[in-house]
Amino acid sequence: DTEVTQTPKHLVMGMTNKKSLKCEQHMGHRAMYWYKQKAKKPPELMFVYSYEKLSINESVPSRFSPECPNSSLLNLHLHALQPEDSALYLCASSQAGTANQPQHFGDGTRLSIL
Amino acid sequence: EDQVTQSPEALRLQEGESSSLNCSYTVSGLRGLFWYRQDPGKGPEFLFTLYSAGEEKEKERLKATLTKKESFLHITAPKPEDSATYLCAASLDDKIIFGKGTRLHILP
Repeated sequence: DTEVTQTPKHLVMGMTNKKSLKCEQHMGHRAMYWYKQKAKKPPELMFVYSYEKLSINESVPSRFSPECPNSSLLNLHLHALQPEDSALYLCASSQAGTANQPQHFGDGTRLSIL
Repeated sequence: EDQVTQSPEALRLQEGESSSLNCSYTVSGLRGLFWYRQDPGKGPEFLFTLYSAGEEKEKERLKATLTKKESFLHITAPKPEDSATYLCAASLDDKIIFGKGTRLHILP
């Protein structure tokens, strides 16, 4: 079991749907991350929140909209996605402001776009 | 350009056959070198952090080492349950760079 919990585990949606991915951690971490991972590829960073503020946006299309309601929660709002957005979406957390501390990952949401 | 390269891309071993996975890095300002294990359909599971050349960390059949240019993940007498993709990642001040991983398959 991981200490970062992601829901749902699987999601199938059409290109016109709106859905949200959720992530929760209770390790007291103040940095949280969204990654996208395609099959047989490493995780690809999308967004970083530090102390609930967006600090990094890796040029992600606007159809992905992150939100950090509080220090334990991270959401990723999805709208008008494309088939190439089908992937495993991973959330991670770490201590903020310390680049030498590892990130801890959830088990991801497997997203399929029809 | 900052870069992390893992080799081999894939490795098949017999149960009990020890081997090493390589992670070479060319980065400016390494803050930490991380090793993760990832099972299919799961998120990466943190294994080790190494901070300075000469450092070693051990956990069960795994031992990670670090030099100024590369890190090794040594696996001793592996079992089928050690089959997974092993990822290394270099943490810099403003980003983390993942290697592409080594897919390890241990045959019973």
